Amino acid sequence: NAGVTQTPKFQVLKTGQSMTLQCAQDMNHNSMYWYRQDPGMGLRLIYYSASEGTTDKGEVPNGYNVSRLNKREFSLRLESAAPSQTSVYFCASTRQGALGYGYTFGSGTRLTVV
Amino acid sequence: GDSVTQMEGPVTLSEEAFLTINCTYTATGYPSLFWYVQYPGEGLQLLLKATKADDKGSNKGFEATYRKETLSFHLEKGSVQVSDSAVYFCALKREYGNKLVFGAGTILRVKS
Repeated sequence: NAGVTQTPKFQVLKTGQSMTLQCAQDMNHNSMYWYRQDPGMGLRLIYYSASEGTTDKGEVPNGYNVSRLNKREFSLRLESAAPSQTSVYFCASTRQGALGYGYTFGSGTRLTVV
Repeated sequence: GDSVTQMEGPVTLSEEAFLTINCTYTATGYPSLFWYVQYPGEGLQLLLKATKADDKGSNKGFEATYRKETLSFHLEKGSVQVSDSAVYFCALKREYGNKLVFGAGTILRVKS
């Protein structure tokens, strides 16, 4: 009954360092998403993958890359972290094209860039 | 394009007060509508949903009715508790689409 699992839960990076945020789902969902949440800004879509083998940019893709490794896993990479990327990152998944089917979210990764 | 507008917060209520959080939307066709809740330090959880006009979604004492004529999906609860303090997000998803469009979120604070 894991749902969407994100690792790590917390991370502190120095400016210029790189890291990969991991996300895996066990619900056989087609579509996966990465969001960031900043205070007072709500949720902003970074990248998404409508189905295995495809990825597309969201609202705020600059400074990030993604990989849809297989149907289960969707990773987010910061190549050269900047303080502006300090945020809480959420991964979500859903069943593509299913009427009334919402997203399942992970519990988040809290990233601080110093 | 599609959009969701929620009332600005924070909304501060005393325990056992009546809650309404307004949500209106613009979208073509007949989207599905959702309310998500985010408790402090956690991810978003689906609270309730409705998939067609006049449907009422309900869960944990919360209710919302899909009003096509007013393009609204207001969240209500008859008697809030301190444990309801959280951020509430309204969202829509187009028919057979796969992207949720979120509102900005409304902070609810309930005082004992």
